[in-house]
Amino acid sequence: KQEVTQIPAALSVPEGENLVLNCSFTDSAIYNLQWFRQDPGKGLTSLLLIQSSQREQTSGRLNASLDKSSGRSTLYIAASQPGDSATYLCAVPNQAGTALIFGKGTTLSVSS
Amino acid sequence: ETGVTQSPTHLIKTRGQQVTLRCSSQSGHNTVSWYQQALGQGPQFIFQYYREEENGRGNFPPRFSGLQFPNYSSELNVNALELDDSALYLCASSLGQGAYNEQFFGPGTRLTVL
Repeated sequence: KQEVTQIPAALSVPEGENLVLNCSFTDSAIYNLQWFRQDPGKGLTSLLLIQSSQREQTSGRLNASLDKSSGRSTLYIAASQPGDSATYLCAVPNQAGTALIFGKGTTLSVSS
Repeated sequence: ETGVTQSPTHLIKTRGQQVTLRCSSQSGHNTVSWYQQALGQGPQFIFQYYREEENGRGNFPPRFSGLQFPNYSSELNVNALELDDSALYLCASSLGQGAYNEQFFGPGTRLTVL
């Protein structure tokens, strides 16, 4: 059964710092991996979708990498800003391909 | 292009009551999935509808039921509400059945059961 883990659960950094969020999954046979952002009490905003055949995917200051063999993905945020403060979740499709399996997320706080 | 919308935004019910939550999928999307997110947890899959048919169900009891309409909007119904049903309910839409395509989420409905 696929399990997704995100460490750390919370992270605090000063503005301008580059940072990396981690996501690990137990079953390496994934189709793709999606990163989301969630503001408190709000819905999820899709940030990046990285296919299993890709190593990296970039959008602005965000870069997601995927290493299927080690069961890991990272989300790199460059030059962090207070507006980046949110919870970041990663998710992969389950084996049947019917649902996303989510980690619990990493809550990021960027101070000015 | 209209994104995923959900109604109502917030809802307060008492134990034993029934509730209906609504979701309008993003324009052009034919698949709707529902998730329950408890505080501090990742979303948990409830079920998915593809072209008006249920296409997968998570580990939720039968009192959680749903519908998808010809315009691909969807409803989530919960009967005999329990205190543990208090959560953020999220709807996601995508093009094509399953969870392999990029999922787009709505703003959620916050349900409080007293």
